[in-house]
Amino acid sequence: EVQLVESGGGLVQPGGSLRLSCAASGFTFSSYEMNWVRQAPGKGLEWVSYISSGGSTIYYADSMKGRFTISRDNAKNSLYLQMNSLRAEDTAVYYCAKGSSMAIDYWGQGTLVTVSS
Amino acid sequence: DIQMTQSPSSVSASVGDRVTITCRASQGISNWLAWYQQKPGKAPKLLIYAASSLQSGVPSRFSGSGSGTDFTLTISSLQPEDFATYYCQQANSLPLTFGGGTKVEIK
Repeated sequence: EVQLVESGGGLVQPGGSLRLSCAASGFTFSSYEMNWVRQAPGKGLEWVSYISSGGSTIYYADSMKGRFTISRDNAKNSLYLQMNSLRAEDTAVYYCAKGSSMAIDYWGQGTLVTVSS
Repeated sequence: DIQMTQSPSSVSASVGDRVTITCRASQGISNWLAWYQQKPGKAPKLLIYAASSLQSGVPSRFSGSGSGTDFTLTISSLQPEDFATYYCQQANSLPLTFGGGTKVEIK
């Protein structure tokens, strides 16, 4: 059974940093592209970032470029999102998401990030 | 970036009704389209990929069609567990983009 378990969310002040982690199991993690997708309270889905299976190809949504860094450790079956210079508008549930030909076939349960003073 | 426009934004329907949701891409995406279902407080769930392929375990009352810029998700006979919000997503190119969502509500 595929499982994606996010952690690291919480309350942070504007301008602060947070590192999200996603522990993957139930599939060969090193063979699949991964994404982070977020959802602000009461809003729709917004793609955040993509990383290829080996980690060599990375993309970000424009509003996250220069502030967020995606990475992965295939030996630990883990995905990460380092978030710096956080803004109120970054408040959202962040989902770790397994890619399959650019669709997303499995999602984690999400971790809430709240940016507020 | 490819923009995805869903309609309607909400629909009221009864159990047993046929429900159709449309999604339009701002440029051609061949069949690179996915549909998701999301219930309150839960993660989205993949229903359809490659525009018309049913994800394993998804009931056959869900179907998808379309190619190019215009796509449709159809629920042939709405069940109580189908009341949720549905999103389309283009899988043609990065950045991945989602439609604004369609909330299916009980009439």
